[in-house]
Amino acid sequence: EAGVAQSPRYKIIEKRQSVAFWCNPISGHATLYWYQQILGQGPKLLIQFQNNGVVDDSQLPKDRFSAERLKGVDSTLKIQPAKLEDSAVYLCASSFGGGTGETQYFGPGTRLLVL
Amino acid sequence: AQKVTQAQTEISVVEKEDVTLDCVYETRDTTYYLFWYKQPPSGELVFLIRRNSFDEQNEISGRYSWNFQKSTSSFNFTITASQVVDSAVYFCALSEWGGSYIPTFGRGTSLIVHP
Repeated sequence: EAGVAQSPRYKIIEKRQSVAFWCNPISGHATLYWYQQILGQGPKLLIQFQNNGVVDDSQLPKDRFSAERLKGVDSTLKIQPAKLEDSAVYLCASSFGGGTGETQYFGPGTRLLVL
Repeated sequence: AQKVTQAQTEISVVEKEDVTLDCVYETRDTTYYLFWYKQPPSGELVFLIRRNSFDEQNEISGRYSWNFQKSTSSFNFTITASQVVDSAVYFCALSEWGGSYIPTFGRGTSLIVHP
């Protein structure tokens, strides 16, 4: 069974530029999550989708971050404009259901460096 | 509010030593889930175990074992006879039932196993 796929793996941009990350979850998984992991810290949830609807985006900085999951499968996370503090690893995860106890399976992440 | 504390930032051991990674959590809910994830240098978070708050049985899986004690709000992880391949950052996470479903991760413990 294929795991969670993410691209690109690495991205370097200058501040104020825009960037987009792509995620393809495990087949059949209804729930998709985007996390931000700053160096030396644990992952922080940015947004959670159940199929193509948003379940929680309370920790997403909506002035510059946006995410969509139009067909309930792939998802895109965008940052526009990027700031230096956005340098982090962006992790995508998926789970079969969306309950609290669901096990999440993570992709390899996209390492973003904002200069 | 929920909180996960991994007080050990980094642990260094020599191969074949046993090592215990501590996790202390805070929650007001009676129903919750606890997780351990491993993050090797490749960056992908690998699921290790999930425990619900009603199951205090300790679990053993090969060289891995987990000690869940509600009385002390701890969910500690022990690796027996550590190996170099165990070198990684280990994260403990908490997810509450009936809350916002936002899992909270600890800051992680970096385990370095020397040959």
